[in-house]
Amino acid sequence: NAGVTQTPKFQVLKTGQSMTLQCAQDMNHNSMYWYRQDPGMGLRLIYYSASEGTTDKGEVPNGYNVSRLNKREFSLRLESAAPSQTSVYFCASRSGTEVSPLHFGNGTRLTVT
Amino acid sequence: GESVGLHLPTLSVQEGDNSIINCAYSNSASDYFIWYKQESGKGPQFIIDIRSNMDKRQGQRVTVLLNKTVKHLSLQIAATQPGDSAVYFCAEIPYGQNFVFGPGTRLSVLP
Repeated sequence: NAGVTQTPKFQVLKTGQSMTLQCAQDMNHNSMYWYRQDPGMGLRLIYYSASEGTTDKGEVPNGYNVSRLNKREFSLRLESAAPSQTSVYFCASRSGTEVSPLHFGNGTRLTVT
Repeated sequence: GESVGLHLPTLSVQEGDNSIINCAYSNSASDYFIWYKQESGKGPQFIIDIRSNMDKRQGQRVTVLLNKTVKHLSLQIAATQPGDSAVYFCAEIPYGQNFVFGPGTRLSVLP
């Protein structure tokens, strides 16, 4: 039982390049989330998927797109990377009940030059 | 190196002492609260949670206290160990809404 798995662990992009961050969970959770974490700030929600087949914008969605491929997988795409997107990105999942915690992956450290 | 948490408040405690980490939350409608631990280079790890109908909840070496009157949450760690060194942050969950995370506190355990 691996929990939440993210790939890649590290990535360096040039401004304007695109990439997709991959996330998979093996806990049969309904809901999946993408957050970014910047120094001195709390985790900020980019996009989430409350259930398979649905996606919604979070607090900071600009410059990102997501795909809920199936119940297990939820990907985050940067179409044209910008230096402001340099951050650590975390994928998380939860069962979907009101009182269940988020379970996080170990993150992708992205640098955009 | 670790880039997250560079500007966070730091709590330094002696090994073996008790630690108390505090968190002020903002939404009086929040009815579920969680403490997470984040070690360098890793994702946040669930420690303990509490519903708003409770004032206190205990786990193994950890206790969470909730004061709804002043919207304050605290995490107490008993007999702090070197392995407890990490960033700790709280999350509040208003009913039907998404998680809201605090910026965190860095706990440094001194030998």
